Amino acid sequence: EPEVTQTPSHQVTQMGQEVILRCVPISNHLYFYWYRQILGQKVEFLVSFYNNEISEKSEIFDDQFSVERPDGSNFTLKIRSTKLEDSAMYFCASSLQQRQETQYFGPGTRLLVL
Amino acid sequence: GENVEQHPSTLSVQEGDSAVIKCTYSDSASNYFPWYKQELGKRPQLIIDIRSNVGEKKDQRIAVTLNKTAKHFSLHITETQPEDSAVYFCAATATDGNEKLTFGTGTRLTIIP
Repeated sequence: EPEVTQTPSHQVTQMGQEVILRCVPISNHLYFYWYRQILGQKVEFLVSFYNNEISEKSEIFDDQFSVERPDGSNFTLKIRSTKLEDSAMYFCASSLQQRQETQYFGPGTRLLVL
Repeated sequence: GENVEQHPSTLSVQEGDSAVIKCTYSDSASNYFPWYKQELGKRPQLIIDIRSNVGEKKDQRIAVTLNKTAKHFSLHITETQPEDSAVYFCAATATDGNEKLTFGTGTRLTIIP
């Protein structure tokens, strides 16, 4: 069964550094999402992406964040200048269609900002 | 925007007993309600979902009920087993053109052997 994959599984970075988190959605899916989960808390929506543009973003997704689909398979989340509070698990998800369709989550990237 | 509340935050049940987790949502436009199971350090895995055109859905030991009037939905796990121990999240999504999932705060379910 196809799965969403993410790399790296863990990333440690210094405050102020840029990080790029990578995701490979399921191949025939059209809608892509990033969520984050601070340790012990609920999963929070960051951004949705369709047809090479952002569909919606949350208030968390400020100017330090950007997303890109650089080729036909990868979907990336860039944090330009990391802050301590960016430490979290970041999940990528994808779905085939947008309306009422199952979102499949990747295994996550645990980001630690020191 | 949508707000999803989930109770209880922790739940311990004896193996073989039933577990019930309840969620309420605020946006009457929401019409898709998935439940995810998350084991420690793992990804959220969809276990069951329900759409607003039905009131109940069952899959083996797992069932979900939806009351649109009251804006609440519940997860029922029967004949619980140790491998059911995990954190369970409910979620809701509104059909206003974006399909972001709004998650509840999670329920840590512990099955006592």
